[in-house]
Amino acid sequence: AQSVSQHNHHVILSEAASLELGCNYSYGGTVNLFWYVQYPGQHLQLLLKYFSGDPLVKGIKGFEAEFIKSKFSFNLRKPSVQWSDTAEYFCAVNAPGGGADGLTFGKGTHLIIQP
Amino acid sequence: NAGVTQTPKFQVLKTGQSMTLQCAQDMNHEYMSWYRQDPGMGLRLIHYSVGAGITDQGEVPNGYNVSRSTTEDFPLRLLSAAPSQTSVYFCASKRGSNYEQYFGPGTRLTVT
Repeated sequence: AQSVSQHNHHVILSEAASLELGCNYSYGGTVNLFWYVQYPGQHLQLLLKYFSGDPLVKGIKGFEAEFIKSKFSFNLRKPSVQWSDTAEYFCAVNAPGGGADGLTFGKGTHLIIQP
Repeated sequence: NAGVTQTPKFQVLKTGQSMTLQCAQDMNHEYMSWYRQDPGMGLRLIHYSVGAGITDQGEVPNGYNVSRSTTEDFPLRLLSAAPSQTSVYFCASKRGSNYEQYFGPGTRLTVT
């Protein structure tokens, strides 16, 4: 079974700072990778996804993530954060054909952006 | 397109009561799933379905039942609610195995 580890549970940044949220997964086979965001009181929205191809993927709202297969990592980045980026961020992995066909989530990173 | 809808939005149960959380999608997606979200735990898969008539267990299935009689609907049943089932429940659907999941707005359940 796969597992996902998010390095930071709480991150506090000032507006315009750069952001990098770490995500590592454990699974030896082919995986699909996702970052979801949950704004306060709302449901999950997809930020970006990786299935195959270019390991640098761009998502909505200026976010991007890089898949590094050798490190089993899929870190999320944004060069300049805004107050509206305050939210909970979840990394998730799906291993097609690797058992239960649902997403395995990390525990989440609570991001607070101070104006 | 309503996407994934869930009812109710909020529910309070007493220990031992039963109830069904409803989930429906209008995207003709084959795959549907139920997750629970608890503070500091992320989301955990309860049950999932890869098509009408086919269901399987996820990571935390105990205390929950599901069935999938139609493509559109995937209800989650709590047979005898326990305080440990206090959580926010999300339903999700996707077109197939190698596709992204779309999440519903969630049901906040409190069991006293």
